[in-house]
Amino acid sequence: GAVVSQHPSWVICKSGTSVKIECRSLDFQATTMFWYRQFPKQSLMLMATSNEGSKATYEQGVEKDKFLINHASLTLSTLTVTSAHPEDSSFYICSAYGSQGNQPQHFGDGTRLSIL
Amino acid sequence: AQSVAQPEDQVNVAEGNPLTVKCTYSVSGNPYLFWYVQYPNRGLQFLLKYITGDNLVKGSYGFEAEFNKSQTSFHLKKPSALVSDSALYFCAVRDMDRSSARQLTFGSGTQLTVLP
Repeated sequence: GAVVSQHPSWVICKSGTSVKIECRSLDFQATTMFWYRQFPKQSLMLMATSNEGSKATYEQGVEKDKFLINHASLTLSTLTVTSAHPEDSSFYICSAYGSQGNQPQHFGDGTRLSIL
Repeated sequence: AQSVAQPEDQVNVAEGNPLTVKCTYSVSGNPYLFWYVQYPNRGLQFLLKYITGDNLVKGSYGFEAEFNKSQTSFHLKKPSALVSDSALYFCAVRDMDRSSARQLTFGSGTQLTVLP
């Protein structure tokens, strides 16, 4: 089945550091990818939608200069948390659709980001 | 706008007993409906989906869900629960008639605990 790989799975870093998270579709071409944020025991909050070769669409309240998204190829999207602060600590999950309609979203295993 | 409601934050069931996790939805058009499961510190795993056709959908790990259009429900069921089924379950909906908007809307999640 379709596999989405997300890396790294866990990041601990100092406040002010920028952190890049990668999301790769391993066996299919992902024309659309999504980035979510999840707080403990809560649902997924959609942060942005990225389409290959175009700018990401950010949800209301998400700072695009804070959370930089790049989807330069059909198999890779990256989320960079710039100048991270403790309030950015969270679980970040990416997902991907293939090019065919009606298929479910396939999710990465998530990245636990802890900012000290 | 589309929305999903999972009225139960927590469901407890004894191993071997049947389980039901409830979900109701609201969309302006026809729904695509999905169930996902999340284990601790992991991404979401796809369980099953309803697009069209039979109202009873069978999915992974013995789970099934019944689409009820009149009640706008898509409850997840399993005839005999296993301890290993303990996890966080999410219902999600997408508006079929808005194919250009491929975003899923997730419910708040239901924590299922199967007691040995």
